[in-house]
Amino acid sequence: QVHLQASGPGLVKPSQTLSLTCTVSGGSINTYSNYWGWIRQPAGQGLEWIGRVYGSGGTDYNPSLKGRVTISIDTSNNQFSLNLKSVTASDTAVYYCTTGSPDYRDDEEAYYVNVWGTGTTVTVSS
Amino acid sequence: EIVLTQSPGTLSLSPGERATLSCRASQTISSDFLAWLQQKPGQAPRLLIYGASNRAAGIPDRFSGSGSGTDFTLTISRLEPEDFVVYFCQQYDRSPVTFGGGTKVEIK
Repeated sequence: QVHLQASGPGLVKPSQTLSLTCTVSGGSINTYSNYWGWIRQPAGQGLEWIGRVYGSGGTDYNPSLKGRVTISIDTSNNQFSLNLKSVTASDTAVYYCTTGSPDYRDDEEAYYVNVWGTGTTVTVSS
Repeated sequence: EIVLTQSPGTLSLSPGERATLSCRASQTISSDFLAWLQQKPGQAPRLLIYGASNRAAGIPDRFSGSGSGTDFTLTISRLEPEDFVVYFCQQYDRSPVTFGGGTKVEIK
């Protein structure tokens, strides 16, 4: 089973860009899964899906983030990344990188998350 | 987006008892693309159930999922001490993926 490790600055100033990288070990990002994504959780609160990138490079983002988010994949380094622009205090959270497996039923396909990284805490503060 | 409502918010039970957690969707979730997650304090969530009723690898058989359409249930047949944590439902049928607000199972 792959292991995911998120890394990046723990403190980001308001209005700046939050940048995180997830390093994949124990498997190739090219072949292990077609789904690599990010989910966040403010302290003591619920979970919010940020978005995902497919192996092809295609992406899907949560509209609630209003176009501030970019997720990209770097197959040469076995990593994928999250950039979130114009951050505010409400972006303070634990950020998890994730990967998923396909679920096929009734001629439909969808991906469920089955591997979570350990999470990295990001605080937005001046 | 599909809104998931979990009930109850907190469930107070004793070890050995049966726990029944509910997840209701604002729209039909097609093909039962619904998962249940368990989260222990200070840890990342862990997948318990996918496809509404399929246990993930390594999950004990005291955990079971059921339901379809808009109403789903997670049942823990006999609570073990390590089961007194928080549970979330998640739909992956439509984008954006959404989560329920969580149910905390606490020791009575």
